Amino acid sequence: SQTIHQWPATLVQPVGSPLSLECTVEGTSNPNLYWYRQAAGRGLQLLFYSVGIGQISSEVPQNLSASRPQDRQFILSSKKLLLSDSGFYLCAWSGQGVETQYFGPGTRLLVL
Amino acid sequence: AQTVTQSQPEMSVQEAETVTLSCTYDTSESDYYLFWYKQPPSRQMILVIRQEAYKQQNATENRFSVNFQKAAKSFSLKISDSQLGDAAMYFCALHQTGANNLFFGTGTRLTVIP
Repeated sequence: SQTIHQWPATLVQPVGSPLSLECTVEGTSNPNLYWYRQAAGRGLQLLFYSVGIGQISSEVPQNLSASRPQDRQFILSSKKLLLSDSGFYLCAWSGQGVETQYFGPGTRLLVL
Repeated sequence: AQTVTQSQPEMSVQEAETVTLSCTYDTSESDYYLFWYKQPPSRQMILVIRQEAYKQQNATENRFSVNFQKAAKSFSLKISDSQLGDAAMYFCALHQTGANNLFFGTGTRLTVIP
């Protein structure tokens, strides 16, 4: 069966510091991968998606970037965090050509 | 543009009773999928049920079922025999075929009263 991991689970970072959140998927190959952000009390907003290694599409211009160095690894990064980057970040995967997305456990990011 | 609307910010139900959560959506596409996700206090998004727009038959997964009204663009979730573990935020989501995004509603917080 497929599983999706995210780490860290919780992160507290000062403004201006760098960020690296990691997501890995097991039990499947060539998945579509997604990064979402959820602000408090709101639904999810798609940040990035990837259909393959090195292929990244951005949905919202912002202070963040994403990379996919391996087939089942998806990384969310920032060079300098802003207060507005605080939130809950969820990684998801889907099969190629499959509509259903499955989510990881998420990372709580607090920027102080 | 695609929109998903959940008009009930909060709902409550007595344990063992039935509750229905509402969702309406708007899309210009004819081929799409609808989902209900559950987000418990752990905040992991868990797939509850999915519905293909081309299917007239309403999807069912154990105690969870949907009432899909395509013409009215309505997609409600019915939870039967509610259990304490059903307490969570429930999100309705829309996926258009060929797109990469899931469009989410703002969620409904369900409380289950013992």
